[in-house]
Amino acid sequence: DVKVTQSSRYLVKRTGEKVFLECVQDMDHENMFWYRQDPGLGLRLIYFSYDVKMKEKGDIPEGYSVSREKKERFSLILESASTNQTSMYLCASSLSTGYGSGELFFGEGSRLTVL
Amino acid sequence: RKEVEQDPGPFNVPEGATVAFNCTYSNSASQSFFWYRQDCRKEPKLLMSVYSSGNEDGRFTAQLNRASQYISLLIRDSKLSDSATYLCVVTMFSGGYNKLIFGAGTRLAVHP
Repeated sequence: DVKVTQSSRYLVKRTGEKVFLECVQDMDHENMFWYRQDPGLGLRLIYFSYDVKMKEKGDIPEGYSVSREKKERFSLILESASTNQTSMYLCASSLSTGYGSGELFFGEGSRLTVL
Repeated sequence: RKEVEQDPGPFNVPEGATVAFNCTYSNSASQSFFWYRQDCRKEPKLLMSVYSSGNEDGRFTAQLNRASQYISLLIRDSKLSDSATYLCVVTMFSGGYNKLIFGAGTRLAVHP
C-alpha cells in the first residue's frame, strides 16, 4: 500500500513564526502536492512538484513556499504564519501525470492553528 | 461561480435507502471525473472514476452527462458505513499538467 506520511498531525503556532510541514511518500511517485482544506471551500492546491527540485504554483501559493530536495520528500513552508493560514493541510502523491490520472494518495493531514 | 459545485448536504437517510448526489462543473474542457470519499477527520480516498458510458461498482453507480456538465453518484442499499463526505473531482489539462479540481463535498449520514 502507498504510504504518505505527514510529520505533524496538529500544530499550534504564533503569528509571524516560520512553519515547516513535512511529507514523505514511500512509493517512488514522481508527483507530490500540497493542498489546504477549509469548510465550504474544498481542497485548494497550494503547490505541486513533478520532479526533484521542481515546483509549480497552484491556485493559492501566496504566503507559502515548498522544497523538494529528494523524490520522496516534499516540504511546505509558511515563511511568516498568519491567522488566515489556520487550516487543514493535506499532502498527496501520484504516479502519473498523464491524461485521466486522478488517483491521489493523501496523507492524514496536518491541522495548523495560528494564534 | 465555483469550478465544481456540490450540494453540501447533509443528506440524512435510513439504512437501505437509495441516495443520489449531483455535481456540476463549469469548464466544458474538463476531461476526467472522479468521486472521492472522505471519512470524518480522515484523508480523502478515491472511490471511483466516472466514465462517459457510466460505471458501477457494487452498490455505487457513477454517471457523466457532458452536455449538461454534471456527474452523479448513486448509492443503493445504504449502509451505516457509507456515512462520509463525498468529493466530486474534475480534471482539466492545463499548461502541460493534469489539474485536479475538487468540489467542497456532500455529506452523507446514514442512520439505523
